[in-house]
Amino acid sequence: AAGVIQSPRHLIKEKRETATLKCYPIPRHDTVYWYQQGPGQDPQFLISFYEKMQSDKGSIPDRFSAQQFSDYHSELNMSSLELGDSALYFCASSLAGGGAREQYFGPGTRLTVT
Amino acid sequence: GQNIDQPTEMTATEGAIVQINCTYQTSGFNGLFWYQQHAGEAPTFLSYNVLDGLEEKGRFSSFLSRSKGYSYLLLKELQMKDSASYLCAADQTGANNLFFGTGTRLTVIP
Repeated sequence: AAGVIQSPRHLIKEKRETATLKCYPIPRHDTVYWYQQGPGQDPQFLISFYEKMQSDKGSIPDRFSAQQFSDYHSELNMSSLELGDSALYFCASSLAGGGAREQYFGPGTRLTVT
Repeated sequence: GQNIDQPTEMTATEGAIVQINCTYQTSGFNGLFWYQQHAGEAPTFLSYNVLDGLEEKGRFSSFLSRSKGYSYLLLKELQMKDSASYLCAADQTGANNLFFGTGTRLTVIP
């Protein structure tokens, strides 16, 4: 079965650079979530989209922005990168209106800021 | 406020049974998820409890008590591959995201 696809899988950037992470949800899933997970920490919710509209916002810095496109894929744009942004970034998708809203996670993008 | 507590680390023996507890305090609670996460990999879904009681799924079972704000994940016949972090996450009413606990790192030893 198709899973959530994230690209790139690994990314190395320097401080103050920008980065764009991409997420392709499971086909027919209409909701996308972004999480940031630092070393040894739990996933922290950043932002979510339902039907291309922002549906919830968590601890996303103002330097980051995201959007969901007409084909339901999503992009997380990160500017003025800081060393502390080094983390695993997970995208998850779900089908809204379903019972459990179970979120399926992608493999993650490992971002290293040097 | 919202808070989820789990033990940080646990160790158990191959073939044994282990119970990982989770207590939560959230506003507007729908249900509780359990995810398994191996190091450097994505969390994978294990269970979702909405109603009080025990739900069994193979070697894994999950229990919820809404009145006590308490859940546990029970793993039977432990295998070495069960060594991983186990995350409990609250599904909150009106929030389109999951609120994760810090996770319990389980180590299975021979």
